Amino acid sequence: AQTVTQSQPEMSVQEAETVTLSCTYDTSESNYYLFWYKQPPSRQMILVIRQEAYKQQNATENRFSVNFQKAAKSFSLKISDSQLGDTAMYFCAFRLWGGSRLTFGEGTQLTVNP
Amino acid sequence: DVKVTQSSRYLVKRTGEKVFLECVQDMDHENMFWYRQDPGLGLRLIYFSYDVKMKEKGDIPEGYSVSREKKERFSLILESASTNQTSMYLCASSIPGPYSNQPQHFGDGTRLSIL
Repeated sequence: AQTVTQSQPEMSVQEAETVTLSCTYDTSESNYYLFWYKQPPSRQMILVIRQEAYKQQNATENRFSVNFQKAAKSFSLKISDSQLGDTAMYFCAFRLWGGSRLTFGEGTQLTVNP
Repeated sequence: DVKVTQSSRYLVKRTGEKVFLECVQDMDHENMFWYRQDPGLGLRLIYFSYDVKMKEKGDIPEGYSVSREKKERFSLILESASTNQTSMYLCASSIPGPYSNQPQHFGDGTRLSIL
């Protein structure tokens, strides 16, 4: 079975600064997908970024980027130029290639301070 | 845009009641999912369905059942509600094809309290 661990229950950052959220996972498979989802106070889960395990290049979406280290089974999320609207719960998730089910981490509550 | 709609944002029920949580998606997705979200535990899969009348148990199915009579609708049923089922429930859907990197799309959640 796959497991996903987010070791930082809470983090805070000043507006305009950079913050990195950590995620590690455990699997014996070599092909899979990794995702970061954001859940703001409105509760709507929103996809932030995704990474295919077979791609060596780290995914980037505007201010959001990942550091994917397959050998270390690590998938961290970097948020640059943090904005107040980035305040949310962030979840890391794993899905096997060929599967439909997502396995989620515990979540990290990020607060961006003005 | 994909729209996943959950019938109630907040719900209060009593112990022993039969509770129905409804979810509807408008994008003809084959896959639909029910999760439970608790602080410090993340999201845990209760059940999912990959087609009409087809279902598969997730990680925590005990005390729950599901129904999918139509492709767009997926219902979660608490047969006899208990206080330990007080939680946030999230519904999600995704396109068919397990080899796709497409994400799941989520509803806004139902915060259920069992008194």
